[in-house]
Formats: sequence, structure tokens, C-alpha cells
Amino acid sequence: SQQGEEDPQALSIQEGENATMNCSYKTSINNLQWYRQNSGRGLVHLILIRSNEREKHSGRLRVTLDTSKKSSSLLITASRAADTASYFCATDTGGYNKLIFGAGTRLAVHP
Amino acid sequence: DTAVSQTPKYLVTQMGNDKSIKCEQNLGHDTMYWYKQDSKKFLKIMFSYNNKELIINETVPNRFSPKSPDKAHLNLHINSLELGDSAVYFCASSGRGDGQETQYFGPGTRLLVL
Repeated sequence: SQQGEEDPQALSIQEGENATMNCSYKTSINNLQWYRQNSGRGLVHLILIRSNEREKHSGRLRVTLDTSKKSSSLLITASRAADTASYFCATDTGGYNKLIFGAGTRLAVHP
Repeated sequence: DTAVSQTPKYLVTQMGNDKSIKCEQNLGHDTMYWYKQDSKKFLKIMFSYNNKELIINETVPNRFSPKSPDKAHLNLHINSLELGDSAVYFCASSGRGDGQETQYFGPGTRLLVL
């Protein structure tokens, strides 16, 4: 069953703008992860936030987690054309590191 | 020095055929996974092995059979291929200790069943 759902499905912005993607999930989690997938490539891990954390930063990435609302957001600041990719949230509900992925947000950053 | 590699990268075959996809990781990880990504980019776990032991086995037709000869390799054999099997199949691995939750993905195998 699909756990995470991303919003929006697609996002188009100009270089230098910020991009915000949201993820909602249904059941309690151990952690939530964000991955990036460039066209025709495998997924690359970006950042992990645990259920007892509310916010995490990594470079130009900022992730928030609201377990009461079962939602997370990924903010990419000062976007670049190279950030063009699909972004997926994935939830780990515990046990064997099983990840449930959302449908992804397709981000297009225009020069 | 690719971390997670898959072969072949592309696979075009006829319905009813049997095919295998191979995966190897050189990260020293204990756990490996197979995922299927459909045409709408939805990614779903199929199987996971930890130290050659099957630990995740999702609702997948029994035409799909994973095999792990050692903890660095996880292969996927598919019998009697069907049109609906067309997808991109990703292998991934994860380790132990700090960062164990992070999964490292291979480049994918694009399977097209005609």
C-alpha cells in the first residue's frame, strides 16, 4: 500500500527561487527520508529525519517533520538547474528497514 | 568503483520468456533490496535479503524469485514474463551502524516485455 503522498506532483520554478515539496503519510514511522532521482538514474539519498526530530538541515536542504499531522516538507533554497529531478519521500515504519515510497514530485528548475 | 551495479541496464524480451537481472554491491552492506518502479514512477519494495536470508517478501507473483548467493549479490529471476512486468527494477543496499537506514540504489534495469 502507498504510504507517502507528495504534493505537488510537479513544480516548475526559476533558478534562485526556493522549492517546497510536501509529503503526507498514514501510519506512525521510525523515520522519514527524502531521495532524489535524476531522469533515467537510480535514487540518491538526501536526508533522513527521525520521528523525534522536528527539523533538519543539510546544505541547501531543510526538512521538517510534523508527526501529529503525519506530514513532512522538503525545502530547497536558492535552486539551481542541476536540482531538476524527481523527489521522493519514503517512510520507515520499523522492521527490516522497509521503505514505503510516495509517488514523487517532479521539480523543474529553469535557468 | 560503482557502489551498486546492475546488469543488464536494458532488457527487451518477449512474453513468456524467462529472464534474470543481477545486482552486486561493493559497499560491504548486509542488506539488499529489489524495487519495481512503474511507468508512473511509483516505487515499490519487492524483496529484501539480510546476510543471504529473505526478510521482506511483499505480495509479488511467485514468477519472481530472488536469489542471494552471498551478501554482496542479489539476483532476480522472472519466469513467464508478462506485459505488466515492464518496468524499471532497482537494486539497493544498506549497511549496519550509523547510517544503516540509508539505502544506496543501483542505476536500474529497464525491462520491456513485448
